[in-house]
Amino acid sequence: EAGVVQSPRYKIIEKKQPVAFWCNPISGHNTLYWYLQNLGQGPELLIRYENEEAVDDSQLPKDRFSAERLKGVDSTLKIQPAELGDSAVYLCASSSTDSYNEQFFGPGTRLTVL
Amino acid sequence: SQQGEEDPQALSIQEGENATMNCSYKTSINNLQWYRQNSGRGLVHLILIRSNEREKHSGRLRVTLDTSKKSSSLLITASRAADTASYFCATAPVSGGYNKLIFGAGTRLAVHP
Repeated sequence: EAGVVQSPRYKIIEKKQPVAFWCNPISGHNTLYWYLQNLGQGPELLIRYENEEAVDDSQLPKDRFSAERLKGVDSTLKIQPAELGDSAVYLCASSSTDSYNEQFFGPGTRLTVL
Repeated sequence: SQQGEEDPQALSIQEGENATMNCSYKTSINNLQWYRQNSGRGLVHLILIRSNEREKHSGRLRVTLDTSKKSSSLLITASRAADTASYFCATAPVSGGYNKLIFGAGTRLAVHP
């Protein structure tokens, strides 16, 4: 079974530029999460989807961040414009109702904003 | 915001020794989970303990949960160099339903050959 796929793995951009991250969850997982992880810290939830509906986006900075999950499968997280403080690892995870909210994580995208 | 706090922040031991990491949290939970993260990788689920359970084992892992003290511990017995990683506790708060997890800052474990 393929795991959670994320791309790109690394991204370097200059501040004020836009950037997008893509995630393909495990097949059949209806819940998808985007997390931000700063160096030396644990993941912090940005947004959670149940199928195509965003059910928890309270921690998503909506002035510059946006996300979508069309057709309830793949998801894209976008930042526009990026700021220096956005440098971090962006993790995608998915879970199914059968797994008692055990989450399966992708390898993450390491973003560096110069 | 991060509900869980791991202690210690960093731990360095020799192969064969046991490693104990602790986690404290603030609000009532449905369950508590432990995850491992190797350098530059995503997190891997290790073990889940429900709020009505007090102890759980999985291979060399032993997890305890004390809901009265709002704390949990993860014990890795007979550690190996391959156990070197960061370990995170994650709580599923009652208020968040079953699909929300709040992660702590993690314990960085180094196991020396």
